[in-house]
Amino acid sequence: SYVLTQPPSVSVAPGQTARITCGGNNIGSKSVHWYQQKPGQAPVLVVYDDSDRPSGIPERLSGSNSGNTATLTISRVEDGDGADYYCQVWDNSSDHPGVFGTGTKVTVL
Amino acid sequence: EVQLVESGGGLVKPGGSLRLSCAASGFTFSDYSMNWVRQAPGKGLEWVSSISSSSAYIYYADSVKGRFTISRDNAKNSLFLQMDSLRAEDTAVYYCARDLLLLAALSGACDYWGQGTLVAVSS
Repeated sequence: SYVLTQPPSVSVAPGQTARITCGGNNIGSKSVHWYQQKPGQAPVLVVYDDSDRPSGIPERLSGSNSGNTATLTISRVEDGDGADYYCQVWDNSSDHPGVFGTGTKVTVL
Repeated sequence: EVQLVESGGGLVKPGGSLRLSCAASGFTFSDYSMNWVRQAPGKGLEWVSSISSSSAYIYYADSVKGRFTISRDNAKNSLFLQMDSLRAEDTAVYYCARDLLLLAALSGACDYWGQGTLVAVSS
């Protein structure tokens, strides 16, 4: 089955830029979605189809996808950006198409 | 306002069964595919199962195939997950989530989530 690998943690100072990677075999050929999850809460979709944002999600959050790596970039990081972030793909070539990444904890210093 | 409310969780012994329900409101339920996603305590998200709007397409994770059954009742705006032969490793919060795309094949992207229901499997 398809595997998505994320770094366990990323630390960033307020105002700086955080980049969260999601590695997968030829992930650039798939659509990648990103979720933010804060403790005790349900996940929130923050980026879909590589780089589109749902309404209400600030432009500071952006996505890209190429080759074997997709990236979620958080610009001008704020305290409220501290959370767990998960990437996800829907692998149409598989009988088990839903795949989540391992998750990355973002800590705002 | 879109709302998804899960119910049916609880404590069950290994080998037992539970049926989760998800009541949907605030949108035309029959127009959207739906998903179940779970999260074990302190762990990451795990996709469990998905069903298309008309139930024509159904998918399961390897870890639950043959034990779990997803279904929906569009007339009652409800999604279900029948869980049989439960194991300790099925212990998790189970979320019901709406697929992003309207009247289309599953995308996997979940734009609305319920608050989750806890399933604990223990003797």
